[in-house]
Amino acid sequence: DVKVTQSSRYLVKRTGEKVFLECVQDMDHENMFWYRQDPGLGLRLIYFSYDVKMKEKGDIPEGYSVSREKKERFSLILESASTNQTSMYLCASKESGTEAFFGQGTRLTVV
Amino acid sequence: GQNIDQPTEMTATEGAIVQINCTYQTSGFNGLFWYQQHAGEAPTFLSYNVLDGLEEKGRFSSFLSRSKGYSYLLLKELQMKDSASYLCAVPHAGNMLTFGGGTRLMVKP
Repeated sequence: DVKVTQSSRYLVKRTGEKVFLECVQDMDHENMFWYRQDPGLGLRLIYFSYDVKMKEKGDIPEGYSVSREKKERFSLILESASTNQTSMYLCASKESGTEAFFGQGTRLTVV
Repeated sequence: GQNIDQPTEMTATEGAIVQINCTYQTSGFNGLFWYQQHAGEAPTFLSYNVLDGLEEKGRFSSFLSRSKGYSYLLLKELQMKDSASYLCAVPHAGNMLTFGGGTRLMVKP
């Protein structure tokens, strides 16, 4: 079974803090994704990585950065957390031509 | 770029059939995915259509028309546990996977 694991299920951070969300997949997938999901807005793509050290901006990259130093790990970084970044964050991985597999999600609250 | 549209909400009765539509515009079609997402959980894969036509998988079927930029998910013999959001997704620029806003389906007794 493909496993995509996100480091935390729930996280509470203060405004201005630097926040790291980690995601690890165990199926050697080339492609990894970070999404945020808010009520009424669906899943919105923040960043996409198609290989180690390769990344592309998604629809809402502002306020975020990513790191992919190893194939299995894709990190989302909030340089200075703000309250409007309170959301559910979902990581996914996929191989070309196949479905994406999702982690369990991280519910981040910025206070 | 791409644009994916789905109805926001639908309601149906247990035992009935419901069709959830998805229209899309994308540069370079590379298949269309349907996912199911229960409240508070991660999305789970339902179907992947690359060619035109209907693909059936038990109570769930998915249809694709590439020329019309249109897909639908058909759910038969609805059960209460089918109450969930249904997400349509299209890869573009290779493997960048973008989702529609999702359709929240409520199944009533």
